[in-house]
Amino acid sequence: AQSVTQPDIHITVSEGASLELRCNYSYGATPYLFWYVQSPGQGLQLLLKYFSGDTLVQGIKGFEAEFKRSQSSFNLRKPSVHWSDAAEYFCAVGAAGTNAGKSTFGDGTTLTVKP
Amino acid sequence: SAVISQKPSRDICQRGTSLTIQCQVDSQVTMMFWYRQQPGQSLTLIATANQGSEATYESGFVIDKFPISRPNLTFSTLTVSNMSPEDSSIYLCSVVAGSTDTQYFGPGTRLTVL
Repeated sequence: AQSVTQPDIHITVSEGASLELRCNYSYGATPYLFWYVQSPGQGLQLLLKYFSGDTLVQGIKGFEAEFKRSQSSFNLRKPSVHWSDAAEYFCAVGAAGTNAGKSTFGDGTTLTVKP
Repeated sequence: SAVISQKPSRDICQRGTSLTIQCQVDSQVTMMFWYRQQPGQSLTLIATANQGSEATYESGFVIDKFPISRPNLTFSTLTVSNMSPEDSSIYLCSVVAGSTDTQYFGPGTRLTVL
C-alpha cells in the first residue's frame, strides 16, 4: 500500500528566509509525486508534480522539489518565503493510467510566516 | 487544465438529513473522484465516480451512506445520507485531465452537521 509521511506538522519561518518541507513516501513502483497548497477556506492548488525525468522539479510561486529515490523523499523548497506563502501544504503520491487520481495524501504541514 | 465548480460551497445541516453536493467540470473528463477532508486532517478518497456505471468505493465508504451519480462526463453528485456530526468535513470533487494525468480539485463543500 502506498503512504506519505510529512514529519513536520507545523513550521514557522521568517519572511525572506528559506524553506524546506519534508515528504517521505512508500510506493511499490515509480511514484507520481505532487505538492499541493491549501490556503484557509480555499481548495487545493497544485504547486508541482514529478512523473519522470529530471529529479529537480520547478513549480509555481517559486517553489521547487527534488525527488530522491534512494531516500524515498520529495522535499519542497523555496529560497525566500513571502508572507502570502502561509498555508497548509500537502504532499501526495499517486499513479498514472487507470489508477490516476487515486492519490494518497500526507497529513499536511502548516506553514506560518513571521514578519 | 480543468476548472471545477462545486455547489453548495458550504452548508449547515441537521442530524439525520441528507445533502447532495454537485460538481461541474468545464470539460469532458473520464476520471472523476470524491474526497473527504475531515477537520484538521488530510484528504481521503471516498470513491471514483464512473460514468454509466456504479461508483467504485474505497474501503470504509459505502454506497448507502455516500451515493454518487455520474450522468455524463462533466457532472457528478455526491450525497451524504443520514448525516451525523462525524460527517462534518470538506468534500472535494477531483478530476484527472490532460496528457500527463494531472489531478485537479474543486474548491470544496464545507459541511457542518449539528
